[in-house]
Amino acid sequence: SQQGEEDPQALSIQEGENATMNCSYKTSINNLQWYRQNSGRGLVHLILIRSNEREKHSGRLRVTLDTSKKSSSLLITASRAADTASYFCATATSRGSARQLTFGSGTQLTVLP
Amino acid sequence: SAVISQKPSRDICQRGTSLTIQCQVDSQVTMMFWYRQQPGQSLTLIATANQGSEATYESGFVIDKFPISRPNLTFSTLTVSNMSPEDSSIYLCSGRVPGANVLTFGAGSRLTVL
Repeated sequence: SQQGEEDPQALSIQEGENATMNCSYKTSINNLQWYRQNSGRGLVHLILIRSNEREKHSGRLRVTLDTSKKSSSLLITASRAADTASYFCATATSRGSARQLTFGSGTQLTVLP
Repeated sequence: SAVISQKPSRDICQRGTSLTIQCQVDSQVTMMFWYRQQPGQSLTLIATANQGSEATYESGFVIDKFPISRPNLTFSTLTVSNMSPEDSSIYLCSGRVPGANVLTFGAGSRLTVL
């Protein structure tokens, strides 16, 4: 079953603006990850934040995690047309000896030139 | 990070036939997973491919419909058996490299069943 729900489902912005996507989840997690998927392609890992971290940066990406609210946000600053893609959060939980990822519903981001 | 080559990238199949999707990793991965993604939707885990033993299937997925092989640490196949139009979807394989908590994905196989 889906762990994460993301909003908005779709987001359209102008190049240069910031884009914020949110993810909520239901159960305790080890870490939360964000992936990007360009149309017709596989997913590419962007950033991972551990359950004991509150904020993490990577280039133009900023991720926050609030475990009390079971939510995370991904901020892309100074967006570019090349950022157009679907973005998925994924939560990692332990199941037996294996760690699995459960993906959220995704946000379709369109950056207009 | 590992690179996963997945094929076919797309196929159109007739109802009742079977299709095998292959994934080759350029380095060893500890775990491999198969996902299904309906167009515009999220990913649903089908099964974990275990090396040298039977795959571990998620609820709603069975071995007879989705047999999986993983003969070594760098190769896995997923077969979609006795296909129906409801099986039309994108199938993605992924792998976790040793010491990493993230997944590397193949480019996906877009399957259309007529």
